[in-house]
Amino acid sequence: EVQLVESGGGLVQPKGSLKLSCAASGFDFNSYGMSWVRQAPGKGLDLVADISSKSYNYATYYADSVKDRFTISRDDSQSMVYLQMDNLKTEDTALYYCTVNSGGYWGQGVMVTVSS
Amino acid sequence: DIVMTQGALPNPVPSGESASITCQSSKSLLHSNGKTYLNWYLQRPGQSPQLLIYWMSTRASGVSDRFSGSGSGTDFTLKISSVEAEDVGVYYCQQFLEYPRTFGGGTKLELK
Repeated sequence: EVQLVESGGGLVQPKGSLKLSCAASGFDFNSYGMSWVRQAPGKGLDLVADISSKSYNYATYYADSVKDRFTISRDDSQSMVYLQMDNLKTEDTALYYCTVNSGGYWGQGVMVTVSS
Repeated sequence: DIVMTQGALPNPVPSGESASITCQSSKSLLHSNGKTYLNWYLQRPGQSPQLLIYWMSTRASGVSDRFSGSGSGTDFTLKISSVEAEDVGVYYCQQFLEYPRTFGGGTKLELK
């Protein structure tokens, strides 16, 4: 069974940092690109960041709204993907989903709240 | 960026009736390999999105055959035949032809 389990969310003040983690299991993690998609309260879905597999040289993509503030990374030996979020803004408040970048599998999401 | 625009449903939809959700892209999603790079998802209340359809018309594993996807390079339709209670939620289309892999704004389905 495929599982994606996110952790690391919480309440943080503006300009603060958080690191989200996603533990993957049940599929050949090394072969797939991985993404973080977020959903602000009551809103739609937005791709935040994406990292390809080793076959594609771990290429990364970032939404303009998070570029230079967020960093996506992965550890294939541990089947983990991470999202380091720095200089957080109130508009980053959202439920963050870890997904296989083909869209086939999603985690349950982890909430990030940026507020003073 | 490719803009994805979804249409609304005439909610609520009577149980057992069919429903069609439209999605339009600002650029053709037809790849040179002949595949159309469009996904459809359902997000039930309080749940994570679930992949329903990929490559415009291929049902994901375990998805009911009441769901079908069709379209051209820029205009797409998700049809739900005989709507049931479990179909309630918000439907999203997403293009994955190029980055950023943009989503439509979502279409809510309510049941009568």
